[in-house]
Parts: sequence; C-alpha cells; structure tokens
Amino acid sequence: DAKTTQPPSMDCAEGRAANLPCNHSTISGNEYVYWYRQIHSQGPQYIIHGLKNNETNEMASLIITEDRKSSTLILPHATLRDTAVYYCIVRVLNDYKLSFGAGTTVTVRA
Amino acid sequence: GAVVSQHPSRVICKSGTSVKIECRSLDFQATTMFWYRQFPKQSLMLMATSNEGSKATYEQGVEKDKFLINHASLTLSTLTVTSAHPEDSSFYICSAIPTGGNYNEQFFGPGTRLTVL
Repeated sequence: DAKTTQPPSMDCAEGRAANLPCNHSTISGNEYVYWYRQIHSQGPQYIIHGLKNNETNEMASLIITEDRKSSTLILPHATLRDTAVYYCIVRVLNDYKLSFGAGTTVTVRA
Repeated sequence: GAVVSQHPSRVICKSGTSVKIECRSLDFQATTMFWYRQFPKQSLMLMATSNEGSKATYEQGVEKDKFLINHASLTLSTLTVTSAHPEDSSFYICSAIPTGGNYNEQFFGPGTRLTVL
C-alpha cells in the first residue's frame, strides 16, 4: 500500500544537479515526507525529511509543493557515489514504520 | 555518528539448519530495533520490531516461530532463522533507534546476505 509514486530509474551526469520527483497525492496533514537512499548491498541511509517547508542539509534539498501532493529531492552536485536507490516515504513523525516502495534507481554517470 | 553493525555480513548454510544474525548498536543504546528483509530487486519489508526485555512484534505474514528474535541487551538484537530453506535466502537488514531518541533517528546496519542451499 505504497503511498508514494516515483519513477523507476533516472540517469544524471556527474557534477550536475539531480532532481528526484515523488508523488504523494494522498498524504495526510500529519504526515511527513522522508527520503532515504540505499547504495547497492548496503543498509538504507537517511537523507532528509520535511512537512511543508523546504528543507536543506549537507546532503540534499527537499522541495515540497504548496499542496503537499508532491516533492522533489535535489542532490546539488551529483557524484558517482550518489548512485543508489532513492526512496520517498511518507509517515507520521515518530511512527516507527518505514514503508519502503520500489524507489528510484539513480545512476550517476561520469 | 551512530553506527549499527551486523554479523555475519554473509552466510551460506544448508537447508534445514538454523542461522543466527546479530545486530549491534556500537556507540549508543537502543531500546528498539527493527528487522527488515529484502529479496533481490525488491524493496525492504519490515519483518518485526524488537524491544529490549520484551517479546518482539511481528508484521502480518511473518512467522514468529521461524524467525526468532531476541533483544537481550540495549545494544544487541539477534534474529535466528530456524530450519532455513532456499526461499529464506535474502538480504536481512536491521535498524536501531537510540534510547530516548525519536523515530526519525533510525540507523540501519549494513545488512546480512543469507544464502540457503
């Protein structure tokens, strides 16, 4: 019962910004948008999360539309090490369950 | 930063044997840990929630008698796959929440790849 929809894959060039879209049209008012990524054969890594305001940290920026029905994760300067599966997850803050969908396989090319 | 380790990283066993996988929080205490399973080219699926000092809570469809979970200390949870069969071959990943932390702070281990022959 994935609440998010992401493109299955995308390529981006090393050094360029990577913009990863996510649709979550049924998001509830108390649900946050979380992003994780999983490099091949490793455990997932937390990237960023937000409710309605745009967020930025050392890894990425998260842009959430005003109606909160979609969001975009931005990797400002993609490197080869950013090649991974990126998961967009909606959940209530402090809800332990992380429901991973299929994610977007991002391949950064030199 | 918070580090979660898993041991072993890879294990190959014969059908019918039991395999124990350890999940340790190295630099923090974790009252709550989670176990996930990931089949090839699929996403992670939560199997169970492990709470220190109490019985684990299993997700629907996960057999508690087959996947035994023991969370005996604040830094260690173990998952034992009993009478393993080839269909149990998968990538098993644990995660841990620092005691007193919020569920946003969920740190994942590197995973254990189980192959049952």
